[in-house]
Amino acid sequence: EDKVVQSPLSLVVHEGDTVTLNCSYEVTNFRSLLWYKQEKKAPTFLFMLTSSGIEKKSGRLSSILDKKELFSILNITATQTGDSAIYLCAVVGRGGSYIPTFGRGTSLIVHP
Amino acid sequence: NAGVTQTPKFRVLKTGQSMTLLCAQDMNHEYMYWYRQDPGMGLRLIHYSVGEGTTAKGEVPDGYNVSRLKKQNFLLGLESAAPSQTSVYFCASAGTSKPYEQYFGPGTRLTVT
Repeated sequence: EDKVVQSPLSLVVHEGDTVTLNCSYEVTNFRSLLWYKQEKKAPTFLFMLTSSGIEKKSGRLSSILDKKELFSILNITATQTGDSAIYLCAVVGRGGSYIPTFGRGTSLIVHP
Repeated sequence: NAGVTQTPKFRVLKTGQSMTLLCAQDMNHEYMYWYRQDPGMGLRLIHYSVGEGTTAKGEVPDGYNVSRLKKQNFLLGLESAAPSQTSVYFCASAGTSKPYEQYFGPGTRLTVT
């Protein structure tokens, strides 16, 4: 059974801080790892990672994967109040269908 | 494009009642999914479909049924609602070229009393 553990479960910071969110996983035949951001309602896609050591970057957000140690981190630099959200990590194993297994998420609150 | 829409947005049921949640997407996506999200639990997959006329069980399928008679629609049914099914339900879809990029609907908040 695939498993995803995210830490911390919640985080409160002030604007301008840098945060690191963690995601460790267990999966049979790793295919990809995904990060999603969930604000008030529906999650939205951030990154898909498949290879170790290659950083994905979008503005102040970046993510990297370590397939040997089975984890990924999501970094957010110079946080803003608009970064307040739940960040979801998911892992996908190789199989006929593309089925993500999601972690419980990290709730990030950024205070002004 | 409307993307992924869900009907209804809110619903209150009494134990034992039935209902159907409708998900529609206008992106011609092959893959569609139903998730439930409970506080502190992330997203758990109920059922999914890889194409019109096909469905499969996810992690938590008990108490739910689904149908995908048309490519753009994915229906989730509760035959006899239970308080344990109180949750927020999300539908999502994805295309074959980018299966990792799921597009989510706005969610349906269901309360079973």
